[in-house]
Amino acid sequence: NAGVTQTPKFRVLKTGQSMTLLCAQDMNHEYMYWYRQDPGMGLRLIHYSVGEGTTAKGEVPDGYNVSRLKKQNFLLGLESAAPSQTSVYFCASRTSGVYEQYFGPGTRLTVT
Amino acid sequence: KNQVEQSPQSLIILEGKNCTLQCNYTVSPFSNLRWYKQDTGRGPVSLTIMTFSENTKSNGRYTATLDADTKQSSLHITASQLSDSASYICVVSPHRSNDYKLSFGAGTTVTVRA
Repeated sequence: NAGVTQTPKFRVLKTGQSMTLLCAQDMNHEYMYWYRQDPGMGLRLIHYSVGEGTTAKGEVPDGYNVSRLKKQNFLLGLESAAPSQTSVYFCASRTSGVYEQYFGPGTRLTVT
Repeated sequence: KNQVEQSPQSLIILEGKNCTLQCNYTVSPFSNLRWYKQDTGRGPVSLTIMTFSENTKSNGRYTATLDADTKQSSLHITASQLSDSASYICVVSPHRSNDYKLSFGAGTTVTVRA
């Protein structure tokens, strides 16, 4: 099992550019999450999904969109990147009935 | 204001020594509290998960305690090793059935020196 994987690992964008972050899990988990982690702050939930074809907003959804077309994949899109979106992005997943979330290795995004 | 406060922000300990990290929370209602370990450049990894009815849980050299009355938790690391150098994150969940309202602390950075 690869667990939770994220691509890319690093990315530099210019303001206004768009990109998609891919999260994939091979554990057949129903729930998937996108977080951002900024220095001196706790992780904050951007969007989440409770199953294939469903998504919902988290604490800081503005400027991001997501899709869960397949159970194993959860995509995070930035349509028009802003410097405030410079952060480390983590994807996580878990199965129903279990508290533990499994995190991916993260994507470090810099917007200049 | 963050509903989960961790202290200290960082600490340095010598290999083989013990240390205790603190987590105070104001989240209410309360369902469970989790401690994660995050190595530099990696994602968080779960260490312990305690529900409101549990007051201690161990995972190897890591022991977490919980006092739901005072809304405090601690993570004790025994006989520290160089591999314990990491950030330790306290996470509180108000709901049993879903976790889209998790409150994450900012973490305590532990550096273990030989």
